[in-house]
Amino acid sequence: GAVVSQHPSRVICKSGTSVKIECRSLDFQATTMFWYRQFPKQSLMLMATSNEGSKATYEQGVEKDKFLINHASLTLSTLTVTSAHPEDSSFYICSARGGPSPNEQFFGPGTRLTVL
Amino acid sequence: GENVEQHPSTLSVQEGDSAVIKCTYSDSASNYFPWYKQELGKRPQLIIDIRSNVGEKKDQRIAVTLNKTAKHFSLHITETQPEDSAVYFCAASMTAGNKLTFGGGTRVLVKP
Repeated sequence: GAVVSQHPSRVICKSGTSVKIECRSLDFQATTMFWYRQFPKQSLMLMATSNEGSKATYEQGVEKDKFLINHASLTLSTLTVTSAHPEDSSFYICSARGGPSPNEQFFGPGTRLTVL
Repeated sequence: GENVEQHPSTLSVQEGDSAVIKCTYSDSASNYFPWYKQELGKRPQLIIDIRSNVGEKKDQRIAVTLNKTAKHFSLHITETQPEDSAVYFCAASMTAGNKLTFGGGTRVLVKP
């Protein structure tokens, strides 16, 4: 149990386009989902916290208009990178809280975004 | 906000030896300290965690110690095996399940 999936696993897009990444909790209801960003050989940086049915809480320095987060249901949160640029290229990982261990975060497999 | 420092950034050990990774945190309100193992291109996997009311926790070859007064905690891996090779991250949070602040990571290489 407690499986989190992300789609797509890898995406390449042109500069200026928008990309949507999905995070799903497959076998539990996630009241809270978190979005992290990880540059190569670096740590995970929290971007935002997303609660079902409410607006996401963004960390300092993260542009909310650029990284749109929607948490429309207890099993799905989406991150849309708008007008992507090469500097947005990164590994984006979501995590979900809930399920059998309500105090544990279960991580998705990540989405590697490359912006040309 | 919370700041977590992790050392060393890389660690090479001989198979069978022990590995120790240390982390310090800045926010005395943090009470939950998990450790994650991440293999290349994969998701972080929780390997052990400790809460502030406990000084030490052990799970087979892995142990974590916490010194809340000094605001530091450490991961100990004994009898290392090649499959222990990965990047290890410490993290801190106010409570379990809340947002995590990660350390910079330690790349561990276990040489056979």
